[in-house]
Amino acid sequence: AQSVTQPDIHITVSEGASLELRCNYSYGATPYLFWYVQSPGQGLQLLLKYFSGDTLVQGIKGFEAEFKRSQSSFNLRKPSVHWSDAAEYFCAVGATDDKIIFGKGTRLHILP
Amino acid sequence: NAGVTQTPKFRVLKTGQSMTLLCAQDMNHEYMYWYRQDPGMGLRLIHYSVGEGTTAKGEVPDGYNVSRLKKQNFLLGLESAAPSQTSVYFCASSYSLGLISSYEQYFGPGTRLTVT
Repeated sequence: AQSVTQPDIHITVSEGASLELRCNYSYGATPYLFWYVQSPGQGLQLLLKYFSGDTLVQGIKGFEAEFKRSQSSFNLRKPSVHWSDAAEYFCAVGATDDKIIFGKGTRLHILP
Repeated sequence: NAGVTQTPKFRVLKTGQSMTLLCAQDMNHEYMYWYRQDPGMGLRLIHYSVGEGTTAKGEVPDGYNVSRLKKQNFLLGLESAAPSQTSVYFCASSYSLGLISSYEQYFGPGTRLTVT
């Protein structure tokens, strides 16, 4: 069965520092992979997606993610975080039957 | 272009009451989804629809019913609300890539429901 694991429930980084959020998935075929961001009291917004091709994908707000098939990972990165990046981040994988499976999320805290 | 909208934004129900949550999208998307979000649980799929007139069960369908009479609307009903249904409910839609979903979901702002 398809699944998504985000090992870190909370991550705290200082403003201006680099960020990496981890995501591991379980899926038999080539996966469709996504990262979403949710600000407090808001819905989810798509940051970036991977369908095929270049394994390094660029998204909005300066985020990027790298698909590594050998590690079943799709980690999200940003070289320098801003206070406005404080939010919850969800990794997701496209599953069978037109559904996507979400991870449980990683809450990002930014220190001034 | 409003995207995905949800009505109402907040609601408080007493146990046993019924209500309907409305989701509307103006992007002509084929697929629509209802999720609930609870602390530490991520998003869990309640029901979804792959086209007008179709519905299917998700991960946590018990206690909920849905209807998709028009392509742009997806209704979620609670016939007899229970405190365990206190949650934030999100609707999402996605477009098709030929015969399959793009899996790229667009979300509404959510409905916060409290059942006392």
